[in-house]
Amino acid sequence: SQQGEEDPQALSIQEGENATMNCSYKTSINNLQWYRQNSGRGLVHLILIRSNEREKHSGRLRVTLDTSKKSSSLLITASRAADTASYFCGAGGTSYGKLTFGQGTILTVHP
Amino acid sequence: GAGVSQSPSNKVTEKGKDVELRCDPISGHTALYWYRQRLGQGLEFLIYFQGNSAPDKSGLPSDRFSAERTGESVSTLTIQRTQQEDSAVYLCASSQQGNYGYTFGSGTRLTVV
Repeated sequence: SQQGEEDPQALSIQEGENATMNCSYKTSINNLQWYRQNSGRGLVHLILIRSNEREKHSGRLRVTLDTSKKSSSLLITASRAADTASYFCGAGGTSYGKLTFGQGTILTVHP
Repeated sequence: GAGVSQSPSNKVTEKGKDVELRCDPISGHTALYWYRQRLGQGLEFLIYFQGNSAPDKSGLPSDRFSAERTGESVSTLTIQRTQQEDSAVYLCASSQQGNYGYTFGSGTRLTVV
């Protein structure tokens, strides 16, 4: 079964609005990471949050982690058309950094 | 190099042929991972290298798939007797040892006809 599962599968918003994506996982983790993918090719690392952290910020990104609920959320504030992409969470449950990814959330930001 | 390099970028092959996919990780990154992504799907873990050894190859789908890494650098993923269900984007990523963010290559899009 998938370790990281994103929700919703697709999200469509207007430029300037905030976008929230959620991720759930099944087993205990060392860290959880969020990635962005454009055009179905390489993923770009956005942010890593460790299991002992609850919230992390990077620019317009805010990530929260609730280990009791085994869930994480990614908030993109003041979205732009350029944020249109697929977003994946990767759950890191091993000592060597292997990530297990979900199906991703497709975000479309309309100008 | 500055990033993770994968070649070829695209590969079309006939069913039954063997293919080799190459990954050149970031210099100094000891951990290397291969993933497969079918159209519209998430990433499926294939194999992990630490240095030149592969302590986790649990994601390789069948014995037609193999991979090696040499010189703690370049890795090659080989698929023998390709099948249509092998069609996917094959992604390679490298990272520093342990739980750090990955740097992904741009992938190889494999199409088996």
